[in-house]
Amino acid sequence: DSGVTQTPKHLITATGQRVTLRCSPRSGDLSVYWYQQSLDQGLQFLIQYYNGEERAKGNILERFSAQQFPDLHSELNLSSLELGDSALYFCASSVGASSYNSPLHFGNGTRLTVT
Amino acid sequence: AQTVTQSQPEMSVQEAETVTLSCTYDTSESDYYLFWYKQPPSRQMILVIRQEAYKQQNATENRFSVNFQKAAKSFSLKISDSQLGDAAMYFCAYRSIYTGNQFYFGTGTSLTVIP
Repeated sequence: DSGVTQTPKHLITATGQRVTLRCSPRSGDLSVYWYQQSLDQGLQFLIQYYNGEERAKGNILERFSAQQFPDLHSELNLSSLELGDSALYFCASSVGASSYNSPLHFGNGTRLTVT
Repeated sequence: AQTVTQSQPEMSVQEAETVTLSCTYDTSESDYYLFWYKQPPSRQMILVIRQEAYKQQNATENRFSVNFQKAAKSFSLKISDSQLGDAAMYFCAYRSIYTGNQFYFGTGTSLTVIP
């Protein structure tokens, strides 16, 4: 158990809809990262937060947004969903700051299916 | 940005044999961290091993070891006495300590273990 909790585990929705994915980082971790993994693909970095502030953006679409709350949990909002957004969305956390040898701890992912 | 290259999309190994997965990276940084992650069919991301760039000694975790060649910017993973449970996608990752604690992932190597 990595200590990172993602909900829901599965999500099925229709095109054009909006969904919210939730992530609770491992206790003590300040950084949260979101990744998208399509079937048989690698990990696409979406966005990173550190202690409530956005730190880095990757290949995140304008239809997607995220935030990290004061209690450090994070939410990824996906809107105007398209079939191509179907993927496994990972949240990962890390201590951040000076603990550079801290690895990413991944949640089990949210499997999103857009029909 | 740093790039991580895994040049072997697929590898196979006989059970009980040894296999080496390659990873190279491109960076101008002098200090960083390297990781190998395993993603079995369950698609959970599991940390296998980590290596600090300032350490010359290669990291070892049971049957998993790395061959870290800093000058060559190479970080290969050796799996000894391969087991059926080792069958998975393996991702190499680079962590920068200078660019907002970013993690850069390779595209993965799919390992098949032949009984």
